[in-house]
Amino acid sequence: DIQMTQSPSSLSASVGDRVTITCRASQGIRNDLGWYQQKPGKAPKRLIYAASSLQSGVPSRFSGSGSGTEFTLTISSLQPEDFATYYCLQHNSYPHTFGQGTKLEIK
Amino acid sequence: QLQLQESGPGLVKPSETLSLTCTVSGGSISSSSYYWGWIRQPPGKGLEWIGSIYYSGSTYYNPSLKSRVTISVDTSKNQFSLKLSSVTAADTAVYYCAGGDPGGMDVWGQGTTVTVSS
Repeated sequence: DIQMTQSPSSLSASVGDRVTITCRASQGIRNDLGWYQQKPGKAPKRLIYAASSLQSGVPSRFSGSGSGTEFTLTISSLQPEDFATYYCLQHNSYPHTFGQGTKLEIK
Repeated sequence: QLQLQESGPGLVKPSETLSLTCTVSGGSISSSSYYWGWIRQPPGKGLEWIGSIYYSGSTYYNPSLKSRVTISVDTSKNQFSLKLSSVTAADTAVYYCAGGDPGGMDVWGQGTTVTVSS
């Protein structure tokens, strides 16, 4: 199985900050990675697919990069509605695997 | 616009079989553009991929659950389903159904809470 190691597990930041979340795959997964945002009591919502493609309707302050084994999600200027938990998901091979999640909290 | 909705019992007894259905609207479950899957989230924990099924009928399951899981499609009802046998308290979770495109899981249902308890 491919292990996805996501860091940090939690992050405190302020509105307007730039934040970066990282996922590392235990083996190469090309660009078969998505980033998801989950708010309490809600289903995850895809923000980024194919590692760096912005999902339709998602604000441009969200961006993704990486290929192979290392991937990043960047939020360029945090907005109040961005405080949530973020997950990466690799779909290169089965079983598909999620990162452990990053809880983004208000400082 | 594709929409998914989970349904099924919210309470299941230990050792019994958990059965959930996902109804797809706004598109055909037979479409080759999508595959279908189930994901779960235990209380206060992260997301766990359970398995997926393709329009061809091919299925893929998480090895940690493989001996207990079955995912199937009912094209006549535009639904797919999850069966998880021999449940224990560790299977208590919010269960999500989702539709996947080449970029991974795209459209998600709202989730349904299943509690395993006698």
